[in-house]
Amino acid sequence: GAVVSQHPSRVICKSGTSVKIECRSLDFQATTMFWYRQFPKQSLMLMATSNEGSKATYEQGVEKDKFLINHASLTLSTLTVTSAHPEDSSFYICSASKGDSYEQYFGPGTRLTVT
Amino acid sequence: GNSVTQMEGPVTLSEEAFLTINCTYTATGYPSLFWYVQYPGEGLQLLLKATKADDKGSNKGFEATYRKETTSFHLEKGSVQVSDSAVYFCAGSGYSSASKIIFGSGTRLSIRP
Repeated sequence: GAVVSQHPSRVICKSGTSVKIECRSLDFQATTMFWYRQFPKQSLMLMATSNEGSKATYEQGVEKDKFLINHASLTLSTLTVTSAHPEDSSFYICSASKGDSYEQYFGPGTRLTVT
Repeated sequence: GNSVTQMEGPVTLSEEAFLTINCTYTATGYPSLFWYVQYPGEGLQLLLKATKADDKGSNKGFEATYRKETTSFHLEKGSVQVSDSAVYFCAGSGYSSASKIIFGSGTRLSIRP
């Protein structure tokens, strides 16, 4: 168990538009979900932490009005990149944890390209 | 602050060679330690973990032992295969109640046939 999916796996959008990425825990209830960004050949950078039904906690330097996170249920969190620009192009990865466990289960990632 | 440091890559080895990727951590407490693997174009997969000192995590021929005295969690494999080519991330969690994971910078491993 502990499978996390992301949709879409790849998305190309035009500059100025918004794009939504979904993260789902398929076989467990995720008390906490995390969103990461990964630049080419670099490590993962935590963007925000979200708990179901409450506002996300953003890391320093991450614009909360640009990266909207909604954690509406225990199995779904969404990241919306608003007014996307080419510099937002990146690999976005979500993860989920359950209960009191410190372990996170990662999704397969979404590659966003803004043209 | 808390951090995870791993050896820089890239690391290139021949098939069947012995692999070591070094990882050390700093912590005020006792974090859980992980190794994740990322294959090209994919997300992260948990390779192995250890939750307390002297624990040994193992999976797919890879091993790592949680060494409190040296604050290390080095990844080893006795005989690597071409299919092991990937990026490996050392990570620690449990530093805070938010369960954040702190990742190392990643080590790219390439195995030659």
